[in-house]
Amino acid sequence: AQKVTQAQTEISVVEKEDVTLDCVYETRDTTYYLFWYKQPPSGELVFLIRRNSFDEQNEISGRYSWNFQKSTSSFNFTITASQVVDSAVYFCALSRDGNNRLAFGKGNQVVVIP
Amino acid sequence: GAGVSQSPSNKVTEKGKDVELRCDPISGHTALYWYRQRLGQGLEFLIYFQGNSAPDKSGLPSDRFSAERTGESVSTLTIQRTQQEDSAVYLCASSAYTGSGNTIYFGEGSWLTVV
Repeated sequence: AQKVTQAQTEISVVEKEDVTLDCVYETRDTTYYLFWYKQPPSGELVFLIRRNSFDEQNEISGRYSWNFQKSTSSFNFTITASQVVDSAVYFCALSRDGNNRLAFGKGNQVVVIP
Repeated sequence: GAGVSQSPSNKVTEKGKDVELRCDPISGHTALYWYRQRLGQGLEFLIYFQGNSAPDKSGLPSDRFSAERTGESVSTLTIQRTQQEDSAVYLCASSAYTGSGNTIYFGEGSWLTVV
C-alpha cells in the first residue's frame, strides 16, 4: 500500500532560521513520483516540486531544497533562512498509480515567528 | 482561465440538504480530481475523471456522494442529504493527463459547513 508519513505536525521557527520537513513514504512500485505542496492560509495548494523515483539528485530552488534518498524512502524538504511568508502547511505526496492519484501525508504546519 | 476555479468558495448548509460543488479545470486538462480535506487533516482522494469518464469511484465515502463531468471540462460534485461529518474543504485539481507524474494543479477549494 502507498503511504506518506509526515511525523512533525507543527514546527515553529524564528525568522531566518532553517527548517527541515521530513517525509517518509511507502510503496511497492518501482516507478513513482513524489511531490511537495504548500498550502498557505488562503487554502490553495501550491505546487513546489515533482521528483521521479529514478532521479535521486538533490534539488535547490532559491531558499528551498529537497533531499531524496531511496535507501531510506525519504524525501525531505528544507527551507533556508525562513521568512514569515513561509508560514503555511506543507504536504508531501506520492503518486500512487498510473492514474496519478496522490496519497498525501498529514502535512507540516510551519509557523515562522518574526 | 489560468487556474483551477471552484465555486462556491464557501457554503453553509443545513443537515439533510443537498449541495453541489463546481470545478472548472485548467483549459485543456483531460484529468480532473476531487479531494476532501477535513480540518487539520491531510487530503483524502475521492474520485478522478479521465475525460468525462470516472474509472474509479471507490474513493467516494458513501452513496450520498456523486460526481460528473461534461464536455471534458466542468465537473460537479454532489452531496445528498448532507451530514455534519461532510463538513470539509473540497479541493478540485486537474492535470494535463492522468499519467503518473504529471503535475497536478489545485483550486482554492470549496469550504462546506453542515450545521
